[in-house]
Amino acid sequence: GAVVSQHPSWVICKSGTSVKIECRSLDFQATTMFWYRQFPKQSLMLMATSNEGSKATYEQGVEKDKFLINHASLTLSTLTVTSAHPEDSSFYICSARSNRGRGSLSEAFFGQGTRLTVV
Amino acid sequence: GQSLEQPSEVTAVEGAIVQINCTYQTSGFYGLSWYQQHDGGAPTFLSYNALDGLEETGRFSSFLSRSDSYGYLLLQELQMKDSASYFCAVGSGNTGKLIFGQGTTLQVKP
Repeated sequence: GAVVSQHPSWVICKSGTSVKIECRSLDFQATTMFWYRQFPKQSLMLMATSNEGSKATYEQGVEKDKFLINHASLTLSTLTVTSAHPEDSSFYICSARSNRGRGSLSEAFFGQGTRLTVV
Repeated sequence: GQSLEQPSEVTAVEGAIVQINCTYQTSGFYGLSWYQQHDGGAPTFLSYNALDGLEETGRFSSFLSRSDSYGYLLLQELQMKDSASYFCAVGSGNTGKLIFGQGTTLQVKP
């Protein structure tokens, strides 16, 4: 299957600092990527849809000024958590769909996830 | 909006068969998917149904009934490594984004 790489896999940062998370599609081009957040023992909550060459589309309740998304190329989307606070500590996961195989709507490929801890 | 319901926990023994149900409410339907997630890991794709019926992939099968807004994941010949969380998800719009259920924690016992 297609490969999505996410970096870093874990990060610890001080409260008030910013953290950038990268999501790369390694063997396919992704005009659209998705960012999810998952708290312990909970489901994946969609934060935003990252669109190559245009602004991201944020889900209701997600602060776009706090979670900056940039999708500057067909293989890279970044999520920057600005002025991080302890309540932002979570597991952040990106995904992308490949237009190969059974069609673009059938299978999403996920990055490894980034565990963010804000202290 | 969209919502999905699935049981929070299921326990079964090795070698058994377990079925995880999922009911959904969605405006527009773009398929029902199933993902497995082990503790600390990322979700991995298991199965997808766009049309009614059964899809079989090895030990895992998934079923969909669009008229009932219902689907299930069937796991056969359970192994200890199948202990994980299982999420059903529906596609939302034609952008490819997914809305996930709350997840079912499967515990496989010897």
